[in-house]
Amino acid sequence: QVQLKETGPGLVQPTQTLSITCTVSGFSLTSYYMQWVRQTPGKGLEWMGFIRSGGSTEYNSEFKSRLSISRDTSKNQVFLKMNSLKTEDTGVYYCAAGYFDYWGQGVMVTVSS
Amino acid sequence: DIQMTQSPASLSASPEEIVTITCQASQDIGNWLAWYQQKPGKSPQLLIYSATSLADGIPSRFSGSRSGTQYSLKISRLQVEDTGIYYCLQRYSNPYTFGAGTKLELK
Repeated sequence: QVQLKETGPGLVQPTQTLSITCTVSGFSLTSYYMQWVRQTPGKGLEWMGFIRSGGSTEYNSEFKSRLSISRDTSKNQVFLKMNSLKTEDTGVYYCAAGYFDYWGQGVMVTVSS
Repeated sequence: DIQMTQSPASLSASPEEIVTITCQASQDIGNWLAWYQQKPGKSPQLLIYSATSLADGIPSRFSGSRSGTQYSLKISRLQVEDTGIYYCLQRYSNPYTFGAGTKLELK
């Protein structure tokens, strides 16, 4: 059974760095692409980037300068790090497997001082 | 970037009715189109992939079609549990882009 679960800080201050972990089970990270998507009040659903089964990454240029996606296959975890946060980055952040076949429950992130 | 223009923005229909939601792509995306349903407080759920293929476990009353760069999701015999927001997603080129969503309510 495929499962994904995001964990993150909940509240982040402006200009700080966001770190979210996606822990998966039921499949191998070396077999699936892993996507990151966010949903914000201002822009709706936005694809942020992915890490391929082989470990290379691709990003939406909207975030490229401040986004990093990595993984630890031994722990079945994928990581999102985004710096220079702004209030507009407030929203729900999701990881998704494959071509967005399976999604985590999402984690709400509020950017506020 | 490829723009996905989704319509209508909202829709109200009665049980057992047929409803259709469309997405117009700003350029050719082949069959790299998926449809999702999202319920309040939940993550999107895959309904249709590759424009016309039904995802595992999805009722057959959901169907997808394509005409050129216009894609449609049809829900036949609408059920109460079909309320939610529906999104299209193009998975053809970076950046992948979603439609703005269609909010479906039942009368």
